[in-house]
Amino acid sequence: KAGVTQTPRYLIKTRGQQVTLSCSPISGHRSVSWYQQTPGQGLQFLFEYFSETQRNKGNFPGRFSGRQFSNSRSEMNVSTLELGDSALYLCASSFAGLSAAEAFFGQGTRLTVV
Amino acid sequence: AQRVTQPEKLLSVFKGAPVELKCNYSYSGSPELFWYVQYSRQRLQLLLRHISRESIKGFTADLNKGETSFHLKKPFAQEEDSAMYYCALSSPTSGSRLTFGEGTQLTVNP
Repeated sequence: KAGVTQTPRYLIKTRGQQVTLSCSPISGHRSVSWYQQTPGQGLQFLFEYFSETQRNKGNFPGRFSGRQFSNSRSEMNVSTLELGDSALYLCASSFAGLSAAEAFFGQGTRLTVV
Repeated sequence: AQRVTQPEKLLSVFKGAPVELKCNYSYSGSPELFWYVQYSRQRLQLLLRHISRESIKGFTADLNKGETSFHLKKPFAQEEDSAMYYCALSSPTSGSRLTFGEGTQLTVNP
């Protein structure tokens, strides 16, 4: 079965712009989590969506938001981009989000803010 | 607050040598501990979890609650083990949310 798919794979944006990233989970998975990966901070949890509802949230400013659609696909939006938002953004999907061991990761979207 | 610490950012060993990647955690409860691996240009994938007590690709990890550690070990490193390794923690109430350490880049030299 197809794995977790993230689009686009690469993005270059200018400071102050906004960006939307997409994550298509494995078929049948209803939970999607987002992480930011940077060399300095490592992997940090952004938020988790389950059945179109945000179920868990990390410690990121309100410029970072997300949503989930009825087909479980999720989008993440970052508004008013800052240079420090340059990172690899990973999403992970799981069937019910009850255990981290169920989670499968996508290949990520590399965002560069210039 | 939960926290995972991997003290070594870089670790270099020779093929056939034993390797140990250190992981310490802080959490006031009974967490679930994991090791994830990210090979070059590949996606992050689960290597092993403490509950299963499996040996995957020759790697083992034992949860030491007294020392709050979950070190990853392999008796004889192989070149294909070169990768970034992340220790991660999940709490019983956080579902699939993972708290990651900063990672250790392992290089196995021929």
